[in-house]
Amino acid sequence: DTGVSQNPRHKITKRGQNVTFRCDPISEHNRLYWYRQTLGQGPEFLTYFQNEAQLEKSRLLSDRFSAERPKGSFSTLEIQRTEQGDSAMYLCASSLGGGTGRRKLFFGSGTQLSVL
Amino acid sequence: GESVGLHLPTLSVQEGDNSIINCAYSNSASDYFIWYKQESGKGPQFIIDIRSNMDKRQGQRVTVLLNKTVKHLSLQIAATQPGDSAVYFCAEDGFGNEKLTFGTGTRLTIIP
Repeated sequence: DTGVSQNPRHKITKRGQNVTFRCDPISEHNRLYWYRQTLGQGPEFLTYFQNEAQLEKSRLLSDRFSAERPKGSFSTLEIQRTEQGDSAMYLCASSLGGGTGRRKLFFGSGTQLSVL
Repeated sequence: GESVGLHLPTLSVQEGDNSIINCAYSNSASDYFIWYKQESGKGPQFIIDIRSNMDKRQGQRVTVLLNKTVKHLSLQIAATQPGDSAVYFCAEDGFGNEKLTFGTGTRLTIIP
């Protein structure tokens, strides 16, 4: 079962450093989502791609955050000049692009970011 | 603003009993709902979904009920097992919204 894969699983960084996370979606899925989750809360939408096109970005996604999906397959999420408030679990999800299947998101195990 | 919320943050159930997890939503335009299970250190795992043109849907040991009149969603888990202990989230999607909005979750604990 090749589910959604995220790397690294954990990342500890110092404030001000840049970090990059990678997500490999389920191979036949052309939609890819990034969510952020803090302790005790539900996931919050950050952005999503349809193939390589980034179609929507949340207001949560400040200009320090950038996401790419250059070939419509894997995606990266970069955070520049990290702040302690960026500490969270970053979740990636994918779905089929057409019809109601696009709404059924399959999540990876996430990348837990700790900013010291 | 519009949101998805849960009535109870924690729920403890005896092993073998049935459990019911409730969820209230406020966006009357939502037409798709989904339940996820999240275990510690893992991402949310799909359980069951339902569209707004239905009021009940059954899966393996799980049933989702949708009451559009009072904007209420519930997840019933039959014959609970220790492996059902997790945090359960409901999420909604409105037509054309193209993304799921999650509630804060209910922690379900199964007592042996």
